[in-house]
Amino acid sequence: DGGITQSPKYLFRKEGQNVTLSCEQNLNHDAMYWYRQDPGQGLRLIYYSQIVNDFQKGDIAEGYSVSREKKESFPLTVTSAQKNPTAFYLCASSNTPDGMGGYTFGSGTRLTVV
Amino acid sequence: AQSVTQPDIHITVSEGASLELRCNYSYGATPYLFWYVQSPGQGLQLLLKYFSGDTLVQGIKGFEAEFKRSQSSFNLRKPSVHWSDAAEYFCAVGAGQAGTALIFGKGTTLSVSS
Repeated sequence: DGGITQSPKYLFRKEGQNVTLSCEQNLNHDAMYWYRQDPGQGLRLIYYSQIVNDFQKGDIAEGYSVSREKKESFPLTVTSAQKNPTAFYLCASSNTPDGMGGYTFGSGTRLTVV
Repeated sequence: AQSVTQPDIHITVSEGASLELRCNYSYGATPYLFWYVQSPGQGLQLLLKYFSGDTLVQGIKGFEAEFKRSQSSFNLRKPSVHWSDAAEYFCAVGAGQAGTALIFGKGTTLSVSS
């Protein structure tokens, strides 16, 4: 079955470390998105990509970086510059650049700073 | 700028009772509107979407929503709630244009009492 795979499900980071969250899709979708979810805050957009080798900053891009070298993959790096990285991270994809068909979401990665 | 407001943070409904979750949006043109559901620790699942035509849209799991332009609302309804409907519900708005991403509300947590 097609879908989005996020790994790992749980991730622990020490202060000052960079960590990379994986997002892979086999849906042949062009557009991919990263959202951060905090309790009571809903989903906030970090980065998104409409096409390979191109991506745009979302509302809370500071302290994060992404790459889109392959259509199937859109990894998110949480850098040491992100002061409060503990959160639930969700990756999504869309079969159209405008998202009109709705998004397919992965099951998320919970990142905790220790 | 687009925005979405879900006025109710938490709602409790008795099993078998009807449900209405509120969503208000702010957008200058005709918006593209979505409702998603999230079970604890999981990704989001699309319930239904609206972008044109009949203002009453049917979704999965017996949910429906009504678009009211005059009230800038897109409320989600279900005539009879089941215990398995307990989850967090998110309303989202999109511009329906390439190069944009969905904006999500902060969510409403639904509890179902027996």
